[in-house]
Amino acid sequence: GEDVEQSLFLSVREGDSSVINCTYTDSSSTYLYWYKQEPGAGLQLLTYIFSNMDMKQDQRLTVLLNKKDKHLSLRIADTQTGDSAIYFCAESINSGGGADGLTFGKGTHLIIQP
Amino acid sequence: SAVISQKPSRDICQRGTSLTIQCQVDSQVTMMFWYRQQPGQSLTLIATANQGSEATYESGFVIDKFPISRPNLTFSTLTVSNMSPEDSSIYLCSAGRNYEQYFGPGTRLTVT
Repeated sequence: GEDVEQSLFLSVREGDSSVINCTYTDSSSTYLYWYKQEPGAGLQLLTYIFSNMDMKQDQRLTVLLNKKDKHLSLRIADTQTGDSAIYFCAESINSGGGADGLTFGKGTHLIIQP
Repeated sequence: SAVISQKPSRDICQRGTSLTIQCQVDSQVTMMFWYRQQPGQSLTLIATANQGSEATYESGFVIDKFPISRPNLTFSTLTVSNMSPEDSSIYLCSAGRNYEQYFGPGTRLTVT
């Protein structure tokens, strides 16, 4: 079955880069996603990557995918206090995120130190 | 993107009663889903809401407990039936289009 693993906490200094890691077990995963959840708020779709891609960059966000190792990472450059949130990794299998539900990791709490 | 609204945003209910949560999307979408997020936990998929047919439930979730309707491409409801305190959770609706899946703000349910 599907399983998505993430570290529970990551602490970084303001201005540094944050790298949040995720591993998944289902090799048939088609799309992989990163969501952000701020306290008391809903989930915000940050970015997603198709399984035949290695990297995707969007402004301060860089997603790296190592399909062989089933490893996904999210790098946030120049981390700011507004980046403090829980970051969820999620995978969609079979036909993709438009047609299938997602399996989520437990989320990584990103803590920003001044 | 899709803008998703849910009603109610929160409710406190007594055990044994039922609550129906509504989800409205601002445009037509391919799929709609219902998730549960228990306090401090991740999201768990309850079911896929299929337009014009019965919902598809994930392991551990059954229609009698969580009946779902989807009468058209932009609206769905989830009912939490015969509630117990273990049903206290945030219930989220999501909608998928073009490999992107967006989430509503959630309904925070407390069962006393």
